[in-house]
Amino acid sequence: NAGVTQTPKFQVLKTGQSMTLQCAQDMNHEYMSWYRQDPGMGLRLIHYSVGAGITDQGEVPNGYNVSRSTTEDFPLRLLSAAPSQTSVYFCASSYSWGPGQVRYEQYFGPGTRLTVT
Amino acid sequence: DQQVKQNSPSLSVQEGRISILNCDYTNSMFDYFLWYKKYPAEGPTFLISISSIKDKNEDGRFTVFLNKSAKHLSLHIVPSQPGDSAVYFCAASDTDDGNKLVFGAGTILRVKS
Repeated sequence: NAGVTQTPKFQVLKTGQSMTLQCAQDMNHEYMSWYRQDPGMGLRLIHYSVGAGITDQGEVPNGYNVSRSTTEDFPLRLLSAAPSQTSVYFCASSYSWGPGQVRYEQYFGPGTRLTVT
Repeated sequence: DQQVKQNSPSLSVQEGRISILNCDYTNSMFDYFLWYKKYPAEGPTFLISISSIKDKNEDGRFTVFLNKSAKHLSLHIVPSQPGDSAVYFCAASDTDDGNKLVFGAGTILRVKS
């Protein structure tokens, strides 16, 4: 099992450029999510998905788009990059929780370090 | 407004001694708490969790304590080892959506040999 993989590891963009951060998992997890990590802020949820075809917004969704066409993949799109989007981005996956069910820990990818100039 | 707070940005401990990392939360709907460990240039990895129906959970050298009335949890590492040096994140999820995690800002632990 590769677990959760993310590409690229590093990326530098100019303001206004767009790009897609890739995330894939091979654990057949229903739930996938994207976080950004900024100094002093911890990890903040950007978007998440509870299954193919279903996505929803997290705490900081502005400037980002997601789609989930397969169970395995959950790409994050930056529509028009801004310096405020300079951050480290983590993708995570887990089995999906439902009311009355046990909780599952989330597995994280290695991260993508993005710099917007 | 941060719902999960880790007020100590860093902690330094001697090898073999106890490390105690603290976390406070404000949302009374939180009912499940997790600790993640993160090394530089890697993603966070799950360490230990606790449900609100318990006040203690132990896994080897790691123990998490939950004080619901104080809305406070702590992670104890005994004995501390140099390999424990990392950033530790506290996270919580609530009864409405057990999938979504809210993270604290993290505490950098340095274990000196």
